[in-house]
Order: sequence, then C-alpha cells, then structure tokens
Amino acid sequence: AQSVSQHNHHVILSEAASLELGCNYSYGGTVNLFWYVQYPGQHLQLLLKYFSGDPLVKGIKGFEAEFIKSKFSFNLRKPSVQWSDTAEYFCAVNLGNAGNNRKLIWGLGTSLAVNP
Amino acid sequence: DAGVTQSPTHLIKTRGQQVTLRCSPKSGHDTVSWYQQALGQGPQFIFQYYEEEERQRGNFPDRFSGHQFPNYSSELNVNALLLGDSALYLCASSLGDSANYGYTFGSGTRLTVV
Repeated sequence: AQSVSQHNHHVILSEAASLELGCNYSYGGTVNLFWYVQYPGQHLQLLLKYFSGDPLVKGIKGFEAEFIKSKFSFNLRKPSVQWSDTAEYFCAVNLGNAGNNRKLIWGLGTSLAVNP
Repeated sequence: DAGVTQSPTHLIKTRGQQVTLRCSPKSGHDTVSWYQQALGQGPQFIFQYYEEEERQRGNFPDRFSGHQFPNYSSELNVNALLLGDSALYLCASSLGDSANYGYTFGSGTRLTVV
C-alpha cells in the first residue's frame, strides 16, 4: 500500500537555525506532493505543493521543498526559522492517476518547536 | 477564519451510540472530503462527496456514512460507535473533485467515545 514517511517526529530548534524536514513516499507512479502546516489552535493550511516542472518549489513564509524523484523524497526546508514557525508539519501525497486523485495520503507529522 | 465551518467542535458519546457531524464548505467550493485524525497520527481519508454523491471511499467500515446537500454542505454519520472511533474529524472543502485543487480545512470536531 502507498505510504508517506516523515522521519522527524519532534524537532526543537533555536531561532535563526536552518530547518530540514524529511518526507519519503512509496509509490512508483506519478505523484503530486504537498506540505501542510497546523499552527497551534488553528486549522491545517497549505504550505506548498509540487505537481510538475521545477523540482524546487517555494511556498509561503519562506519555506521551500525539493522533489527528488530518484529518492522518492520531498523534503521541506527553511534557511532561518522564527519562533512563529512553531507548528505541526504534515507531508501528503496524491496519486496522480485520475482514479486515485481524490484523496491525500498523509505522513504522521513533525512537531516543530522553535525556541526564542 | 477557516472558511469551512464544522459543528459541533467537541462531542462525547457512549459506545454503541450514533453521531452526526456537520460541515459547511468554504463559499464557492462544491466538494467536501472527510478525514479522521487519531492522536499522534496523520489524517486518514474517509470519503469524498461531489455532486451529492460519494465519489471515493477510504478504508472505513460501512458504519461510516455521509451525505451532501444541494447547498454543498455535508454530514458524516457514524453508527455503533467504538472506543477506537475517538479522534478529530476534519472536513476539507475544495472546488472540483481532485485533491490537487487545494483543500481548505475546518478546525475539526473532536469526538470522544467512552
């Protein structure tokens, strides 16, 4: 069965540190990739997404992610985190073939705490 | 403001009871998807409603059913509740029936089964 793995369950950083959250998926066909974020007390929000083209995609709030097809990975990065980036981060995959593109398959999430 | 409204926000039910959760999609959206998020887990797809029909279903038993109304709002019904049904239930709306169009999520309904 298709699955999404997020390697870091809990990450603690100091402000200005660099961030990289790992995401790998298991599916050999076409995929569309997403990172969602959930700030404390708020609903899930789309951070960025990749469908095709340039494998380096930029999202909101200075986040970016790189799709490496050969590694089945879609890692999230930010050069310098802020306290306001404290949140839960979810990687999600949509199987690109038409019959299966109605749902997202999600990782377990990574809890990021940024200390001021 | 999420744009997607879910009610109620919290609910406590007893094993064996039935529950109905409600979702009003973001204005302009015509598709509603439901997800279950257990503690410490990522969301799991339950089903999607588009044009008042269930279009795709995840790996959930028939105890989970739903409905979409002509105004695009939706209900999720769970019968014969089990302790394992305790979770956060998320409603996500979108324009069009592909998850690629971008979801707007509600804040969820926290269901506790005792």
